[in-house]
Amino acid sequence: GESVGLHLPTLSVQEGDNSIINCAYSNSASDYFIWYKQESGKGPQFIIDIRSNMDKRQGQRVTVLLNKTVKHLSLQIAATQPGDSAVYFCAENIKSGGSQGNLIFGKGTKLSVKP
Amino acid sequence: EAEVAQSPRYKITEKSQAVAFWCDPISGHATLYWYRQILGQGPELLVQFQDESVVDDSQLPKDRFSAERLKGVDSTLKIQPAELGDSAMYLCASSLEGGYGYTFGSGTRLTVV
Repeated sequence: GESVGLHLPTLSVQEGDNSIINCAYSNSASDYFIWYKQESGKGPQFIIDIRSNMDKRQGQRVTVLLNKTVKHLSLQIAATQPGDSAVYFCAENIKSGGSQGNLIFGKGTKLSVKP
Repeated sequence: EAEVAQSPRYKITEKSQAVAFWCDPISGHATLYWYRQILGQGPELLVQFQDESVVDDSQLPKDRFSAERLKGVDSTLKIQPAELGDSAMYLCASSLEGGYGYTFGSGTRLTVV
């Protein structure tokens, strides 16, 4: 089965509110995590990443929190805007053997922002 | 800003026909990936290249899919023969060593009829 999953498949928020999208992962060996935003018909767009030696990282209006104890990742979007409406994926980078590693994705959370 | 280039953007093909997709990664990215994304799901890895070598093709249906990256730069993914279940978005990504700097292209939307 998948090692990365999302707690909520859909999330609807009011414009201006903060959004929190959650993700669970199961592989303790994962050392790098990325959040992507994907709009309809487009490829995933990088939002923010975090390495396993950190527990928090902030970007512009976005914050990623990593809790390795419970294998949980979250994306916080401040002052959510209509342009934030999209599907959000978390992904973990799993290295095996001598491989550079590759990303394992969850199913995604659809964020809808109401004006 | 550097981008991963993919073509075509859309492809409609009849089942049993051959189809090919092209990807040009970001310059300097040694690692190239092909993913398949079925509507409503997350991308799933098909094949991973390090320079011109395949390092992971465990999820590639090798009876009908093939991928190559002959000079370690651009890559081609081929399906022959295409089946109805192959309809999906095919995404190419590239990254720096260690998997960092992962960047996706816009994808090729394949419809098999």
